[in-house]
Amino acid sequence: AQSVAQPEDQVNVAEGNPLTVKCTYSVSGNPYLFWYVQYPNRGLQFLLKYITGDNLVKGSYGFEAEFNKSQTSFHLKKPSALVSDSALYFCAVRDGNSGNTPLVFGKGTRLSVIA
Amino acid sequence: NAGVTQTPKFQVLKTGQSMTLQCAQDMNHNSMYWYRQDPGMGLRLIYYSASEGTTDKGEVPNGYNVSRLNKREFSLRLESAAPSQTSVYFCASSTGTGNTDTQYFGPGTRLTVL
Repeated sequence: AQSVAQPEDQVNVAEGNPLTVKCTYSVSGNPYLFWYVQYPNRGLQFLLKYITGDNLVKGSYGFEAEFNKSQTSFHLKKPSALVSDSALYFCAVRDGNSGNTPLVFGKGTRLSVIA
Repeated sequence: NAGVTQTPKFQVLKTGQSMTLQCAQDMNHNSMYWYRQDPGMGLRLIYYSASEGTTDKGEVPNGYNVSRLNKREFSLRLESAAPSQTSVYFCASSTGTGNTDTQYFGPGTRLTVL
């Protein structure tokens, strides 16, 4: 069975500083990894995904994520945080060998960017 | 193109009442999903429909039923609501054509059961 861990419930960062939101995963086959963002009282919005190829994936709003197979991680990063990046971030995984099955989500990390 | 829409946005029920949450998508997607979101628990899958005419249980199906009415619509029914079903419910859809699929989410329904 696949699973995702987001070890930090909350991440605080000053505006203009780089940010990292951590995610580790567990799958038996090839990992297909996703990041979503949720703004207050909204649904989840897709940010980026890793399927294969380059380990550094670029997504919406200046976010990127780095796939590290040896550490089974897929951390979300942004070089310079904005106050408007404050939101709840979810990592999700699908086992690439399991067919078209639903995504499995982590518990989420709340990012707070302080001006 | 509205994407995934959900109705109602908010609902308050008394214990034992029933209701149906509606979800529709206009992206011609094959697969649809129902999740619930609770603080500290993330998103948990209730039911999903890989294609029209099929439904499968997810992680937390007890107390819920679903109907895939047609390709566009996927409803979630609570037959006898309980306070433990107080949550935010999200519907999602995806093309269903492969395991690299991205799921797209609706705005959610906030349900309170008293």
